[in-house]
Amino acid sequence: AQKITQTQPGMFVQEKEAVTLDCTYDTSDPSYGLFWYKQPSSGEMIFLIYQGSYDQQNATEGRYSLNFQKARKSANLVISASQLGDSAMYFCAMREGVGNTGFQKLVFGTGTRLLVSP
Amino acid sequence: DTEVTQTPKHLVMGMTNKKSLKCEQHMGHRAMYWYKQKAKKPPELMFVYSYEKLSINESVPSRFSPECPNSSLLNLHLHALQPEDSALYLCASSQRDSPYEQYFGPGTRLTVT
Repeated sequence: AQKITQTQPGMFVQEKEAVTLDCTYDTSDPSYGLFWYKQPSSGEMIFLIYQGSYDQQNATEGRYSLNFQKARKSANLVISASQLGDSAMYFCAMREGVGNTGFQKLVFGTGTRLLVSP
Repeated sequence: DTEVTQTPKHLVMGMTNKKSLKCEQHMGHRAMYWYKQKAKKPPELMFVYSYEKLSINESVPSRFSPECPNSSLLNLHLHALQPEDSALYLCASSQRDSPYEQYFGPGTRLTVT
């Protein structure tokens, strides 16, 4: 079953405007973590922001903020003041356990391609 | 230094070739990962090494053989690959018990002809 859903295959925004990238998730585990990664065309996955399920406040990192709505199981990424360099693929991911190994892995959504225009 | 390096950046190999991908980190991280990413798809976990021991193998075919010679180095040995194995192979590392971010390398773009 798909656990991370990103319903926006592509988003367009003008430079200096804010944009919200949607992410919903499904888990029965009371303790979980949600991540956002940026992947430019060069291929490298760049960590942007993390939200723990027990965190009281929404995570923020510079121009990135995470709109965490636990009851709705959503963790949307908000990018303020978009820049041309923000054009990339954005992946939402959730940490989940691997069987009884004690290890955890990241499960990624299908991604949203963001294009910032001048 | 928060860098994970991967070599080569690009690799083209025939189905009968043997090649290796290399990943290196010097952040003192004790968990290292291999991911496979097909075009326009999200990364999918292949292997996890923790303290230089293989901890997770996500049912990856035996033509992919991982190796962790030391805590800073992770290899992926390739043999008798198929054209459908063409993909971006990403390496990542993290602190062993950290619930937080994994640091990714730039990846190796592999083409199997």
